[in-house]
Amino acid sequence: AQSVSQHNHHVILSEAASLELGCNYSYGGTVNLFWYVQYPGQHLQLLLKYFSGDPLVKGIKGFEAEFIKSKFSFNLRKPSVQWSDTAEYFCAVGPSNTGKLIFGQGTTLQVKP
Amino acid sequence: SQTIHQWPATLVQPVGSPLSLECTVEGTSNPNLYWYRQAAGRGLQLLFYSVGIGQISSEVPQNLSASRPQDRQFILSSKKLLLSDSGFYLCAWSVIELTGAIYEQYFGPGTRLTVT
Repeated sequence: AQSVSQHNHHVILSEAASLELGCNYSYGGTVNLFWYVQYPGQHLQLLLKYFSGDPLVKGIKGFEAEFIKSKFSFNLRKPSVQWSDTAEYFCAVGPSNTGKLIFGQGTTLQVKP
Repeated sequence: SQTIHQWPATLVQPVGSPLSLECTVEGTSNPNLYWYRQAAGRGLQLLFYSVGIGQISSEVPQNLSASRPQDRQFILSSKKLLLSDSGFYLCAWSVIELTGAIYEQYFGPGTRLTVT
């Protein structure tokens, strides 16, 4: 069955610490990969995406993610987090022909000032 | 630019009562539309998706139904709510490229439903 697993449910970091959120997926075909973020009180919004090409993709606010096909992973990274990065982060995968997405269970990131 | 609206923002309903949540999209034509439920610690679960007027696909068996009476309107309904229907319901849309490919989804503000 298709699934997405996010390794960390709740992460607490101090400002300026480095961040890496793990995401592994199980899917038999070609996939599009996404990270979405939900800041407190705001809409779910796209952070970054991978469709093809360079497996290292850069998104908004200094985030990046690396697609490692052999590991079925799409981990999210940021070298130095800020208090404003406090949010819930969702990894999602899906085929491009339907647009249907399978989401991970989400990771809550709390950044202490 | 495109925008997506959902209402109501919050709703408290007793068990056994009916439900109607509405989602409308502006600024695009013939989008794919989606209903998700977000439960705490469980991510987003796709409930329904629609590729056109009157075309609904259900992803999971449940007490809910969906309809698409107009191109940019998507409605989530129930005849009798259950306690387990409580949650945060999100509507989303995506664009179909000329190639037929569909990429990212754009989400609405959501409706918080509490069934008492």
